[in-house]
Amino acid sequence: AQTVTQSQPEMSVQEAETVTLSCTYDTSENNYYLFWYKQPPSRQMILVIRQEAYKQQNATENRFSVNFQKAAKSFSLKISDSQLGDTAMYFCAFTAGNTGKLIFGQGTTLQVKP
Amino acid sequence: NAGVTQTPKFQVLKTGQSMTLQCAQDMNHEYMSWYRQDPGMGLRLIHYSVGAGITDQGEVPNGYNVSRSTTEDFPLRLLSAAPSQTSVYFCASKGGINIQYFGAGTRLSVL
Repeated sequence: AQTVTQSQPEMSVQEAETVTLSCTYDTSENNYYLFWYKQPPSRQMILVIRQEAYKQQNATENRFSVNFQKAAKSFSLKISDSQLGDTAMYFCAFTAGNTGKLIFGQGTTLQVKP
Repeated sequence: NAGVTQTPKFQVLKTGQSMTLQCAQDMNHEYMSWYRQDPGMGLRLIHYSVGAGITDQGEVPNGYNVSRSTTEDFPLRLLSAAPSQTSVYFCASKGGINIQYFGAGTRLSVL
């Protein structure tokens, strides 16, 4: 069975600084996708970044980037130049192939302090 | 574009009552799903559908029914609500390149 683990329940960072959120996963699949979702207080689930397992290059979206270590089954999210609007719950998620079934981690609450 | 629309946004039920959470998408996606979010546990898959007329169970299906008569709609039914079903419910639909779009969620309390 696939599992996703986020070991940091809460984190905080000063505005304009960099923070890294950790995520590990377990799977025997070779074809899979990994995601980071942001959930602000509005409760909306917002896709932050997406990584395909067969791509060695780490995905980047503006201030958000990942460190994808396939052998270690690690998928961390780095937020650069943190902004107050980044305050939210962040979820790491996994899906095998094109099944559409997302498996989520427990979430990390990130607070950006002014 | 409306995307994925869920109704209602909030609901309070008494134990034993039934209700249907509505979900509609206007993106012509074949794949739709329902998740529940509980504190400290992330989102868990309840039921999913790969197209009209086809549904299957996810990780936590007990106490919930679904049907998919059209591509657009995927309602979730609670036949006899229990306090353990107090949660936030999300509907999602999956587009190309494996990207899922979520509705705004329904907060359900069962007393």
